[in-house]
Amino acid sequence: EPEVTQTPSHQVTQMGQEVILRCVPISNHLYFYWYRQILGQKVEFLVSFYNNEISEKSEIFDDQFSVERPDGSNFTLKIRSTKLEDSAMYFCASSPENYGYTFGSGTRLTVV
Amino acid sequence: EDQVTQSPEALRLQEGESSSLNCSYTVSGLRGLFWYRQDPGKGPEFLFTLYSAGEEKEKERLKATLTKKESFLHITAPKPEDSATYLCAVQARNTDKLIFGTGTRLQVFP
Repeated sequence: EPEVTQTPSHQVTQMGQEVILRCVPISNHLYFYWYRQILGQKVEFLVSFYNNEISEKSEIFDDQFSVERPDGSNFTLKIRSTKLEDSAMYFCASSPENYGYTFGSGTRLTVV
Repeated sequence: EDQVTQSPEALRLQEGESSSLNCSYTVSGLRGLFWYRQDPGKGPEFLFTLYSAGEEKEKERLKATLTKKESFLHITAPKPEDSATYLCAVQARNTDKLIFGTGTRLQVFP
């Protein structure tokens, strides 16, 4: 069964450093998303991406965040200057039709 | 404001003891209601999508139902491998985002 692949599974970074989280969505999917889940809290929407541009973003997704689809297969989330409160599980998801997502297994980001 | 509330927060069942999980929602025009299963340290795994009141879907021991204000996930004769957190999410029309509840953590004991 096709799956969304995320790397790395766990990343530790120092506060103030830039970090890039990587995702390979399902190959025939057109819509891509990033969500995050702070430990013990709800899964929260960050951003959606379609046709090579952001289609919607949440209040969390400020200027420190950016997304990119650098080639035909990868989808990345960059955090420019990490803060302690950015520590969370980050989930990439993809969908063929903007609903019924398939989520990846996540990247656990720890900012120290 | 669109929101999702799930209850109970945690549920402990004996193997074979059927029960239901509740998801109450308010949304400005429902596009879809989604149930996911999440194992510790993993991403949400898609179970069901429901689109309109009265709709029901089944998969093995799970059955999801939908009304205009809530959805139920019925678990019939659960097994220990059904232990997980079950997440409910809604998507409103004209938006990409899913709004998740906090989930119900289900433990099934042999």
